[in-house]
Amino acid sequence: NAGVTQTPKFQVLKTGQSMTLQCAQDMNHEYMSWYRQDPGMGLRLIHYSVGAGITDQGEVPNGYNVSRSTTEDFPLRLLSAAPSQTSVYFCASSYSGVQPQHFGDGTRLSIL
Amino acid sequence: KNEVEQSPQNLTAQEGEFITINCSYSVGISALHWLQQHPGGGIVSLFMLSSGKKKHGRLIATINIQEKHSSLHITASHPRDSAVYICAVRRNNDMRFGAGTRLTVKP
Repeated sequence: NAGVTQTPKFQVLKTGQSMTLQCAQDMNHEYMSWYRQDPGMGLRLIHYSVGAGITDQGEVPNGYNVSRSTTEDFPLRLLSAAPSQTSVYFCASSYSGVQPQHFGDGTRLSIL
Repeated sequence: KNEVEQSPQNLTAQEGEFITINCSYSVGISALHWLQQHPGGGIVSLFMLSSGKKKHGRLIATINIQEKHSSLHITASHPRDSAVYICAVRRNNDMRFGAGTRLTVKP
C-alpha cells in the first residue's frame, strides 16, 4: 500500500495564480483532512471530509476549496494564490475522525 | 492563548536520559494525539488517547482528563528520537495542535 500520497512535493507560484494540491489514499479511509504548517504556529486544519460528497471547514479555510468526489481523493484548490499562503501543506487520512491519522509527506508551496 | 500548550518548546538531552514532554489543553476533547515529525518533515502518529495510559516500546503516553493534561515520556532516549513532538486534541471533527517540542538527544 502506498498510504497517503501528495503531489507535488514542491511548487512555486506567482501571486494570483491558481493550483490544485493532490492527495490520494489507498486505505479506504473515510476521514481526510488538509493542514498547513507555518513556523512557530504549528499545524492548522484547513478543510476536512468525513466521506465522499461531504466536506467541512476547519480553522483556516479562507482562500481554499476542497471537494471529495471519491473516497480515495481529496484535492485542495488555491483559487488565487497569495504570499500568506506560503506554507507546508499536509494531507492526512484515517478510518474515522477518532482514529490515528496517516500523513502524507507534505507539499512545500511558495507564493511569490 | 492557544488552546493547546506544550512544554518545553526545546529540549536537549544526553543519550539514555528519561524524557518528559507536557501538553495542556483548555477545551473538552474526544481524543488526544501525540505525533512525531522527523527532521525530514514527515509526520507519524505515535499515540491516540482518550483516557489512561498507553505504551509502545520506549514511549509512554498518559492523559488526565480532569486536569486537561497529557505527558509523553521517552525512556532510555537515543539520538534517533531527535524530532519534533506534537500534541493535538480532537473535538468532534476539528483538530487543534500545539506548536511542538523540539527534542535533541546527544550521543
